[in-house]
Amino acid sequence: DSGVTQTPKHLITATGQRVTLRCSPRSGDLSVYWYQQSLDQGLQFLIQYYNGEERAKGNILERFSAQQFPDLHSELNLSSLELGDSALYFCASSVSANSYNEQFFGPGTRLTVL
Amino acid sequence: GDSVTQMEGPVTLSEEACLTINCTYTATGYPSLFWYVQYPGEGLQLLLKATKADDKGSNKGFEATYRKETTSFHLEKGSVQVSDSAVYFCALSGSSNTGKLIFGQGTTLQVKP
Repeated sequence: DSGVTQTPKHLITATGQRVTLRCSPRSGDLSVYWYQQSLDQGLQFLIQYYNGEERAKGNILERFSAQQFPDLHSELNLSSLELGDSALYFCASSVSANSYNEQFFGPGTRLTVL
Repeated sequence: GDSVTQMEGPVTLSEEACLTINCTYTATGYPSLFWYVQYPGEGLQLLLKATKADDKGSNKGFEATYRKETTSFHLEKGSVQVSDSAVYFCALSGSSNTGKLIFGQGTTLQVKP
């Protein structure tokens, strides 16, 4: 158990819909990262928050947005869903934003868009 | 931009065989290098890391050495077990102050008894 929790574990929805994925980082970790894992794109960095502020952005679509709340949990919002958004979405946390810190990964949310 | 290239899988070995999974990277500056492992149905977990040139990371019998001259971080184990069957990801975190990880495509290892 990494100490990072993600809900829900599975999500099945239709094209055009909007969903919210939730992540609670390990106690004491200030940095939250979101990654997308798909068969064709592999594991890709989406976005990072550090202590409530956006720190870095990857290849995140404009239809996707995220935020980190004062209690440090984070939500990833995906809207106008397309079939190609079906993937495993991981949240990870680390104590700081330094490049040498280990990231602890949650179990992931599997999103299926029908 | 920064990138990581791993050897293609799947890799199938018999128990107690030697393992090498090649990983090379392209990055500016001095990245930190990681190997993560993903067991079926689970999230990723850190296997080992190295944060500067010539560092050797090791854990659970696995080793990898940060070679700046060849921009490589190959994963090795002298004797694999069935329980090592998993997907292995090489990753780097660049020298910027974000810590975001850039992953290789992953290598599936299957160890047969």
